[in-house]
Amino acid sequence: DTGVSQDPRHKITKRGQNVTFRCDPISEHNRLYWYRQTLGQGPEFLTYFQNEAQLEKSRLLSDRFSAERPKGSFSTLEIQRTEQGDSAMYLCASSRRDSSSGNTIYFGEGSWLTVV
Amino acid sequence: AQSVTQLDSQVPVFEEAPVELRCNYSSSVSVYLFWYVQYPNQGLQLLLKYLSGSTLVESINGFEAEFNKSQTSFHLRKPSVHISDTAEYFCAVSAASYDKVIFGPGTSLSVIP
Repeated sequence: DTGVSQDPRHKITKRGQNVTFRCDPISEHNRLYWYRQTLGQGPEFLTYFQNEAQLEKSRLLSDRFSAERPKGSFSTLEIQRTEQGDSAMYLCASSRRDSSSGNTIYFGEGSWLTVV
Repeated sequence: AQSVTQLDSQVPVFEEAPVELRCNYSSSVSVYLFWYVQYPNQGLQLLLKYLSGSTLVESINGFEAEFNKSQTSFHLRKPSVHISDTAEYFCAVSAASYDKVIFGPGTSLSVIP
């Protein structure tokens, strides 16, 4: 059973450029989450999907951020016109929505973004 | 909406001493509760969880947490810590209706030799 995988693991980009991160969840998991984490802070919720439907997007999230999960499998998170404040680790997680697992989410290793 | 408070941002403790990391949550509905651990430069790993049933839950590496509904707490404890327990610990809550999972700010546990 493979875990959640994220790509790329590290990305350095110039301010104003667009970046895209990919997440492949655990295969039988129907929910997929994106979080952002900065140094010394807890994961901040960004958005989540059930299958291909985006259920919620954080109100704190700028319109420059967009996420998709077109076929209910992998997901992409795109950040347009990056700013230095976007520098953070972007975490993907997945879960299986059922009574036995509750809402237990499992994380990938994260994608580090540095905007210079 | 749910929220999580972890009052202790840093907890230093000597090796083999006991430790308690505090977590309080706020919710108007039934909840699931979780503790995650994050080692340096790694992703978050599930440490233990409370879904239902016994209010005392344990992990495989000696940690335990107790769900206290009246005090809305889910404190994490270990009777004797090891150097390898040095990490960030995050408490998290989700409404039992399968809502999103919300994390606290974390507690940095430093075990001193």
